Amino acid sequence: KQEVTQIPAALSVPEGENLVLNCSFTDSAIYNLQWFRQDPGKGLTSLLLIQSSQREQTSGRLNASLDKSSGRSTLYIAASQPGDSATYLCAVKETSGSRLTFGEGTQLTVNP
Amino acid sequence: GAGVSQSPSNKVTEKGKDVELRCDPISGHTALYWYRQSLGQGLEFLIYFQGNSAPDKSGLPSDRFSAERTGGSVSTLTIQRTQQEDSAVYLCASSFRTGATNEKLFFGSGTQLSVL
Repeated sequence: KQEVTQIPAALSVPEGENLVLNCSFTDSAIYNLQWFRQDPGKGLTSLLLIQSSQREQTSGRLNASLDKSSGRSTLYIAASQPGDSATYLCAVKETSGSRLTFGEGTQLTVNP
Repeated sequence: GAGVSQSPSNKVTEKGKDVELRCDPISGHTALYWYRQSLGQGLEFLIYFQGNSAPDKSGLPSDRFSAERTGGSVSTLTIQRTQQEDSAVYLCASSFRTGATNEKLFFGSGTQLSVL
C-alpha cells in the first residue's frame, strides 16, 4: 500500500527566504506526482504535476523535482511571500486508472 | 462550468439523518473523485468514477456511504444515518481523461458537513 509522507508538518519563515518542502513515497512505481496548495476553507489548487518520465517541473517561483528511485519529491519556493502562506500537499498516482494518495501536508507561514 | 462546483458549501445535520452532497464537474471531464478531509487529517479517498466503467468504491468507509454519477456528469454522494464521525469536508475533483501521465486533478471548494 502506497504511503506518502511530508516533512516538515509546519514551517514558518520570514518573507524573502527560499524554502524546500519534502515529500516521500514508499512505492516508487508511480504514474505521476502532483503538488497542490490548499488555503483555509478552500479546495485544492494544482501547482505542478511531474510525470513519471520527468525529473522536474517549474512554474514561476516554484520548482518541483522527482527522484522515483529514492521515492522523493521536493517543492522549492524561491523568494517566499506572505501570499504563499497555505498548506502544501503532495499526491502520487500509481497507475492511469487509480486514485491519488495524498500526504498530510506542510503548513507554511511566510511572515512579512 | 468554469470549475468544479459543489453544493451545499455547508451542511449541518442531526445524527441519524441522511444527507446528499452534490458535485458538478468541469464540462467534458470524464473522471470524478470524492475525497474526505477530517480536521487535522490528510485526504481520504472515497470513490472514483471513470466514464462508463464500474466505479472504484474501495474507499467508502461503510455501507452507509454511496455515490452515483448520472449521465457521466453530476455526482451525488449520499450518507445515510449520519454519525458524528462523518463530520468532515467532502471534496470532489475531476480530470479530463485518464491514460495520460499529465492528467491534472481539479478540486471543488468542498462541502463542510457537521453532524450534531
